[in-house]
Amino acid sequence: QKEVEQDPGPLSVPEGAIVSLNCTYSNSAFQYFMWYRQYSRKGPELLMYTYSSGNKEDGRFTAQVDKSSKYISLFIRDSQPSDSATYLCAMSANAGGTSYGKLTFGQGTILTVHP
Amino acid sequence: DAGVTQSPTHLIKTRGQQVTLRCSPKSGHDTVSWYQQALGQGPQFIFQYYEEEERQRGNFPDRFSGHQFPNYSSELNVNALLLGDSALYLCASSLAAYYEQYFGPGTRLTVT
Repeated sequence: QKEVEQDPGPLSVPEGAIVSLNCTYSNSAFQYFMWYRQYSRKGPELLMYTYSSGNKEDGRFTAQVDKSSKYISLFIRDSQPSDSATYLCAMSANAGGTSYGKLTFGQGTILTVHP
Repeated sequence: DAGVTQSPTHLIKTRGQQVTLRCSPKSGHDTVSWYQQALGQGPQFIFQYYEEEERQRGNFPDRFSGHQFPNYSSELNVNALLLGDSALYLCASSLAAYYEQYFGPGTRLTVT
């Protein structure tokens, strides 16, 4: 079983839709949660970064972490064609753990927003 | 403020050859991590360098080695290349005390 599971999609939505992207994980040591956006043939771009459980909002993006369910989400409001990309969730454990400093990624979800 | 830079952009090598990839971290960052991303997959952690030492290593064979220089730049070396080493190699930089890692554009390695 992979430590981080992410539905690869692909996901296709109309412009203006609300997009929900999700990851589940099995390692209870994960405390830091990130979402990256990756355009084709480019490096991942950090979108959101959260620590432990709770919500974080940045413009059209909202990240949610539910540690009790080992489940994280990224919501994109008013989606735009420029949001079309692969979205990767990533996680890291606390200092002192064996995963310190190492990001463990999901497989990535391919999102297409069509006009 | 320059972000993470990597060179070369693309590389084609033959099985059995050796390759060196280079990374310059974001200004102010002192930690460099390397990842391998196969097509259609998420990045896989190779290793991380801090203060010129390998701090942590993922599940990769000894054919993969690295180095960090006093100016925090880093190299990834892969010996005895296999077809399965074909991938996008990503470098990420961060501050040692923080978990946010910023990625470069990657080096696409093709092994024929």
